[in-house]
Amino acid sequence: TQLLEQSPQFLSIQEGENLTVYCNSSSVFSSLQWYRQEPGEGPVLLVTVVTGGEVKKLKRLTFQFGDARKDSSLHITAAQTGDTGLYLCAGALYSWGKLQFGAGTQVVVTP
Amino acid sequence: EAGVVQSPRYKIIEKKQPVAFWCNPISGHNTLYWYLQNLGQGPELLIRYENEEAVDDSQLPKDRFSAERLKGVDSTLKIQPAELGDSAVYLCASSSRLAGTTDTQYFGPGTRLTVL
Repeated sequence: TQLLEQSPQFLSIQEGENLTVYCNSSSVFSSLQWYRQEPGEGPVLLVTVVTGGEVKKLKRLTFQFGDARKDSSLHITAAQTGDTGLYLCAGALYSWGKLQFGAGTQVVVTP
Repeated sequence: EAGVVQSPRYKIIEKKQPVAFWCNPISGHNTLYWYLQNLGQGPELLIRYENEEAVDDSQLPKDRFSAERLKGVDSTLKIQPAELGDSAVYLCASSSRLAGTTDTQYFGPGTRLTVL
């Protein structure tokens, strides 16, 4: 059983549509990160959230950390084909703790 | 700035053979990680180095896996002998970990290992 559960596992949408992916746990995290991984590459950090209720925006991507610091969501507005990739959430239980990764959500954006 | 470099990118071996992966972290990064990523899964930490010291190797299967980071820069991960279940992507990451701050890890492209 993974510490972080991501949903959905797979998402296929057309360009211009919106999407939301979720990252849930029963554990409280000191911080939570979102990564995007493309085929044949390592994960690339998108954002780090540390405060319960925090919302961060990165162009068309909006990240939210739950009030209780147990869950997070990633919302993409007007998706583009370049948003295609595996989205991973990763949390640290304490500031010096190792990152625990979820299994990821595979997002495919078609023209 | 050059990113994390890993080699080889791909490796195909027969079971019971040895294999080694090499990682060159970002210059100045004192912390180095080796992760294993199975298909359809997120990365799982194998070992973390602070400079040349392995500070977390609790998930490293020590009967067949070994790692070293001589001089606190480059690192090598070895498997001997390899088993079919070792087929996966092996990722290296590095960071300049500072006390009291959230760690930002930079990942290399990984080595895809296939054991036949």
